Amino acid sequence: NAGVTQTPKFQVLKTGQSMTLQCAQDMNHEYMSWYRQDPGMGLRLIHYSVGAGITDQGEVPNGYNVSRSTTEDFPLRLLSAAPSQTSVYFCASSYSGTATTDTQYFGPGTRLTVL
Amino acid sequence: AQKVTQAQTEISVVEKEDVTLDCVYETRDTTYYLFWYKQPPSGELVFLIRRNSFDEQNEISGRYSWNFQKSTSSFNFTITASQVVDSAVYFCALSEGYNAGNMLTFGGGTRLMVKP
Repeated sequence: NAGVTQTPKFQVLKTGQSMTLQCAQDMNHEYMSWYRQDPGMGLRLIHYSVGAGITDQGEVPNGYNVSRSTTEDFPLRLLSAAPSQTSVYFCASSYSGTATTDTQYFGPGTRLTVL
Repeated sequence: AQKVTQAQTEISVVEKEDVTLDCVYETRDTTYYLFWYKQPPSGELVFLIRRNSFDEQNEISGRYSWNFQKSTSSFNFTITASQVVDSAVYFCALSEGYNAGNMLTFGGGTRLMVKP
């Protein structure tokens, strides 16, 4: 298993540009999430999905869009990039949302810079 | 709303010293879960431990130990006889409810530097 994969690893955008951060997992996990990591603030939840066709907002959803058409993929779209979106983005997945036994697996991250 | 505070932003120790990373949390739920993750310089996030709100037993895993105290809303992490390979950023995290394991609230992280 490749686990959770993210592409690209690095990206530089200009303000106003759009792009999609890709996330895929091959573990047949139902639950997937996107977080952003900023210095001193830990990771903050952007959007999450509990299965194909079902998504919901997390703590910091503004400026981001998601969809989940397949179990494997959970792309994150920036419609009009802003410098405040400069961050490291992590995708995570888990088999279920059961916190008792299930563990979230994180991807390697995408480092995004918006000029 | 839930909140996790890691007051120590950076700790520096010499190899073989013991070190404790503090984590204080806030939640209104009676059912919640606490986690610790390690982020080494390579950047990935590594799961270390999970603890539920009904289990206050301390846990030990090799050189790592965790102390959960509901009375003080703390879930502290101790590394005994630290090693250079322990250098990393450590995150404490919280999820509320039984089915919220994929919705974590993270603390700001503590950067641990272990010097030889």
